[in-house]
Amino acid sequence: DGGITQSPKYLFRKEGQNVTLSCEQNLNHDAMYWYRQDPGQGLRLIYYSQIVNDFQKGDIAEGYSVSREKKESFPLTVTSAQKNPTAFYLCASSIGRDSNQPQHFGDGTRLSIL
Amino acid sequence: AQSVTQPDIHITVSEGASLELRCNYSYGATPYLFWYVQSPGQGLQLLLKYFSGDTLVQGIKGFEAEFKRSQSSFNLRKPSVHWSDAAEYFCAVGGPLGDYKLSFGAGTTVTVRA
Repeated sequence: DGGITQSPKYLFRKEGQNVTLSCEQNLNHDAMYWYRQDPGQGLRLIYYSQIVNDFQKGDIAEGYSVSREKKESFPLTVTSAQKNPTAFYLCASSIGRDSNQPQHFGDGTRLSIL
Repeated sequence: AQSVTQPDIHITVSEGASLELRCNYSYGATPYLFWYVQSPGQGLQLLLKYFSGDTLVQGIKGFEAEFKRSQSSFNLRKPSVHWSDAAEYFCAVGGPLGDYKLSFGAGTTVTVRA
């Protein structure tokens, strides 16, 4: 079955440490997205990518970095500059980048601080 | 920029009763509208979408939504809820073609009592 795989499901970060969240899709979608979800705040866009080797900042990109070296993969690094990283992180993809294209979501990674 | 308001943070409904979740959007032109559902610890699943045409849209799991331009609303309904409908529901609005951004509401949590 086609879908989006996020790993790990749970992740713990120590102070000053960078951590990387994995997102892989086999839907052959061009566009991929990273969202952060906090209780009562809905989803906020961190980064998005329309094509390989191209990505754009979303609303809350500070303290995060991404890469898009392959169409299927869009890893997110939470850097030590992100002072409040505890959240649920969701990866999504869509056929194209237009806002009329439904986004398909992975099952998320929950990041906590040790 | 577009935005979404979901006025109800939490709704409790009895199994077998009807359910209506409210969504109000702000956007100058005809929006692209979506409803997603999220079970605890999971990603988001698309329930239905509205782009144009018939203002009553049918979705999966027995849900429907009605677009009312005069009220800037896109309310989600289900005639008879099942215990498995307990989840968090998100309304989202997209902007014009060529714009990547989806704006999500803060979500409504639905509790189903026996």
